Amino acid sequence: GQQLNQSPQSMFIQEGEDVSMNCTSSSIFNTWLWYKQEPGEGPVLLIALYKAGELTSNGRLTAQFGITRKDSFLNISASIPSDVGIYFCAGLENSGGSNYKLTFGKGTLLTVNP
Amino acid sequence: NAGVTQTPKFQVLKTGQSMTLQCAQDMNHEYMSWYRQDPGMGLRLIHYSVGAGITDQGEVPNGYNVSRSTTEDFPLRLLSAAPSQTSVYFCASSRGDSKNTIYFGEGSWLTVV
Repeated sequence: GQQLNQSPQSMFIQEGEDVSMNCTSSSIFNTWLWYKQEPGEGPVLLIALYKAGELTSNGRLTAQFGITRKDSFLNISASIPSDVGIYFCAGLENSGGSNYKLTFGKGTLLTVNP
Repeated sequence: NAGVTQTPKFQVLKTGQSMTLQCAQDMNHEYMSWYRQDPGMGLRLIHYSVGAGITDQGEVPNGYNVSRSTTEDFPLRLLSAAPSQTSVYFCASSRGDSKNTIYFGEGSWLTVV
């Protein structure tokens, strides 16, 4: 099946630092999604990217859909303690007709030291 | 996580017992799915449905059954619980087109002893 490699697996940073994480796939996706999951909660959508090259921001978060459609990155600027959580990338591919399949990366655990 | 409701939030089962995790969405989404989340494994797709009456297997379907009799509901059944099914389960729904946004429920924590 589709493989999604997300890196890094974990990050431990100081408050105020910038963060970057990325995902690469073995084949093409139609859509890239970035989620954040906090302890005891379900994933919450942060940013959705719909076409190659698209660069989208949501506050201090910026994500890009790679030109090749096989990769995406998420940047967080000036991190704060509430940024702590697990960040997941997800790729959406057309699996035939009107069927779409979502594949998740294994997540990046972000810890922010105040 | 408004719109996708999962119950129960927590459950402890004995090996061999059966149970159903409930999932309901009020957004009229065609697409619904169940994931399990285990440490170091990320989110893995168990079963999904592209509309009422249609279900299909995901990456890890063994030991689980689903049905989709209505657009709103997509229950996940554990037929004979095993310790390996101890996990956090998430239900998700979406419109099912190329620009859909996928919404997750808040999760169901299941322990099988």
